[in-house]
Amino acid sequence: AQTVTQSQPEMSVQEAETVTLSCTYDTSESDYYLFWYKQPPSRQMILVIRQEAYKQQNATENRFSVNFQKAAKSFSLKISDSQLGDAAMYFCAYRSQYSGTYKYIFGTGTRLKVLA
Amino acid sequence: NAGVMQNPRHLVRRRGQEARLRCSPMKGHSHVYWYRQLPEEGLKFMVYLQKENIIDESGMPKERFSAEFPKEGPSILRIQQVVRGDSAAYFCASSPDSGTSTDTQYFGPGTRLTVL
Repeated sequence: AQTVTQSQPEMSVQEAETVTLSCTYDTSESDYYLFWYKQPPSRQMILVIRQEAYKQQNATENRFSVNFQKAAKSFSLKISDSQLGDAAMYFCAYRSQYSGTYKYIFGTGTRLKVLA
Repeated sequence: NAGVMQNPRHLVRRRGQEARLRCSPMKGHSHVYWYRQLPEEGLKFMVYLQKENIIDESGMPKERFSAEFPKEGPSILRIQQVVRGDSAAYFCASSPDSGTSTDTQYFGPGTRLTVL
């Protein structure tokens, strides 16, 4: 069974600085998808970024980028030029490529605090 | 295009009562997923449905919980004879039927269930 681990329960970053959130996962599959979701105090789950495992190029979305290391099964999220609105819980998620198992497996989350 | 709709946003029930949570997926989405988030935890998969079919219910408790997604109308998650341990946030997500992002799930705002 697949598992997702986020080993940092809480992280802090100074406004305008860069922070990296860690995520590792365990799977025997070769094709899958990885995601980062943001959950602000409103509790709404917001997609931040998505990575397809067969793509070697790291995904980027504006100030958000990932470092995808398939062999190491690592999928970290880098937030550049941190803003106060980035403060939230961040969840890493895994989804199998194979038909019939479309569920997401989430990590336990990292709470990001942004200091003014 | 309206997002995933969930209602009610907050639901209070006494022990032994029934809870009904509703989810309307985004337009063009016929895949619906339900997740539960206990306080200070990540989201845990419960069930995956397509119209009139349960595809994967591996995360559903064996008793008291049921889900449906009828041909017409929203998906319903039903919890019978609620207990205090059912208190949690319940999230619904949907994914598109076709296109380049069929792997991506879009989440509703959640229903926070409190059992007194």
